[in-house]
Amino acid sequence: GAGVSQSPSNKVTEKGKDVELRCDPISGHTALYWYRQSLGQGLEFLIYFQGNSAPDKSGLPSDRFSAERTGGSVSTLTIQRTQQEDSAVYLCASSPHAGTQYFGPGTRLLVL
Amino acid sequence: SQQGEEDPQALSIQEGENATMNCSYKTSINNLQWYRQNSGRGLVHLILIRSNEREKHSGRLRVTLDTSKKSSSLLITASRAADTASYFCATDDGNQFYFGTGTSLTVIP
Repeated sequence: GAGVSQSPSNKVTEKGKDVELRCDPISGHTALYWYRQSLGQGLEFLIYFQGNSAPDKSGLPSDRFSAERTGGSVSTLTIQRTQQEDSAVYLCASSPHAGTQYFGPGTRLLVL
Repeated sequence: SQQGEEDPQALSIQEGENATMNCSYKTSINNLQWYRQNSGRGLVHLILIRSNEREKHSGRLRVTLDTSKKSSSLLITASRAADTASYFCATDDGNQFYFGTGTSLTVIP
């Protein structure tokens, strides 16, 4: 069956531009997570959506980062006024309730 | 299917015992990472081992990597009830990340 998908797979942008990253979770999964991984580092938790509850935004590194999850399904991570240190791989995962996470392939973001 | 596969899927041990989890993968990798997840929380990075490394330690954690067998193991020594969580391995081939479905570890006090 279809897994978690993310788009675009790669994104190159100029410093100061806004970017939107999309995540399509597995149908029926109530939980959705965003992470990022900078080169040579481990995963860094960004934000967590669970059903209709208020999202856990505790991992967002600055107010330039925001995320939405429309209709309990698709999620968009937006980075405003991108900086070079935002360059990383952004990973999305979904899970049924709070169980096993299924990861998408990631979006590689490069800010020039 | 996902790249990494953990074994066993579930493990239950007594506090103080050691826990060993294994991960197998399919293609060449740049590095392999282990993560833990407590119920309802995000993943927490535990340890990263590079493809040219064979063993790495961090506190009570010991990770081995055998690239010829395309496998890795995570050993947690002197387990504690607080170690109860799901443990995931993840591989990075330089193009994509692949996560396994995890091993659910229960440490009984």
